[in-house]
Order: sequence, then C-alpha cells, then structure tokens
Amino acid sequence: SQKIEQNSEALNIQEGKTATLTCNYTNYSPAYLQWYRQDPGRGPVFLLLIRENEKEKRKERLKVTFDTTLKQSLFHITASQPADSATYLCALKFRNNRLAFGKGNQVVVIP
Amino acid sequence: NAGVMQNPRHLVRRRGQEARLRCSPMKGHSHVYWYRQLPEEGLKFMVYLQKENIIDESGMPKERFSAEFPKEGPSILRIQQVVRGDSAAYFCASSPAAVQETQYFGPGTRLLVL
Repeated sequence: SQKIEQNSEALNIQEGKTATLTCNYTNYSPAYLQWYRQDPGRGPVFLLLIRENEKEKRKERLKVTFDTTLKQSLFHITASQPADSATYLCALKFRNNRLAFGKGNQVVVIP
Repeated sequence: NAGVMQNPRHLVRRRGQEARLRCSPMKGHSHVYWYRQLPEEGLKFMVYLQKENIIDESGMPKERFSAEFPKEGPSILRIQQVVRGDSAAYFCASSPAAVQETQYFGPGTRLLVL
C-alpha cells in the first residue's frame, strides 16, 4: 500500500535560516504533490503544488522540489520568520481527486 | 468570498448518540471531500461527493457513517451510535468543478465522544 513519510521530529530553526522538510513516498507515482500548512486548531491551508514533470516550484520564500526517481519532495522556507512556525503537510493526489497526507512535520522558528 | 464553513466547530456526544457535521463549500464549488484527523495522525480521506452524488466513499467505515451533499444546502457527515474511537477532528474541503487540483479546507469540527 502507499506510504507517505515525513519526519516526526519537530524542526527547531533560528530566525533567518532556511528550514528544509522532506516528504518520501512509496508504491505510487502521483501526478502531482502538494504542500499545506496547518496551525493548531485550524484546517490545512494550501501552499504549493508541483507536478511530476516539474523539478522545482517557488512562491515568495517557499521552494518545493520533486524528484520522481527518488520519490521525494523537499520543502524549503528561506529567511524563516517566527510566523512560519506551524505544521507542514505533504499530500499526494490519488484517483478520484482524493488526497493522501503525511502526518506532517512541525517547524518552530526561534526568534 | 467566504471560505469553507463547517459547523459546529466543537461537538460533544455521549456514546450511542448521533453526530451531524455540516459543511458549506466555497461559493461556486461543487466538489466536497471529508477527511478525519485523529490525534497524532495525518489526515485520512473519508468520502468525496459532488452535488447529489457520492463519487468515492472508500475511506469511510461501512457502518454507522454516511454522507450526503444535496442539491440545496450543506454537505452532511452523519455518524450514528458514536463510540469513543470516533473522537477526532473532521475536516471538509471543497474544490471547483473546473479545476479540481487544489482543495480548500474548512476549520474543522472537533468531535468528542464521552
């Protein structure tokens, strides 16, 4: 069955540095991969989508890469700020538009 | 343009009672998805609906759970005879018919079964 893995340990990072999160998946070849942000007690908020034929996507201080050979996506937050502290979710699209999510990776940006 | 609305935000039920969770999609969106998030777990897909149709319910337990998205009104996720294990956050997401890639999530309903 499909598996989506994100690091379970929180990432503590100094303000201004680049935070890098990893999403690994097995037993599937998704047409695209998405990253969401989730704050405590709130619903996920869509950040970025990257397709299987795209290597890299950027949006402001966010950058996502997608390596379909390694079955891995990297999510970068450059010049991190305390307001970036949240849990970041990786999601893959399966048939019928359903999304399969990783458990999420918490980021804590220390001022 | 209001986002996805869910109500109630918090719901407390005793074992054996029924829980009804409502979701109003974003304006112009005709696709609705329900996900469940257990403590320390990722979001799990439950069901995908279009107006008056269930497209995919493969993630929804066969018993006690049902979902609908009528022609008029919100989508409803109904859990009959709730058990403690149903305690979770239930999220609804919607997407427009034309572009279905991005799903917009509501704030969730936190169900607590005593």
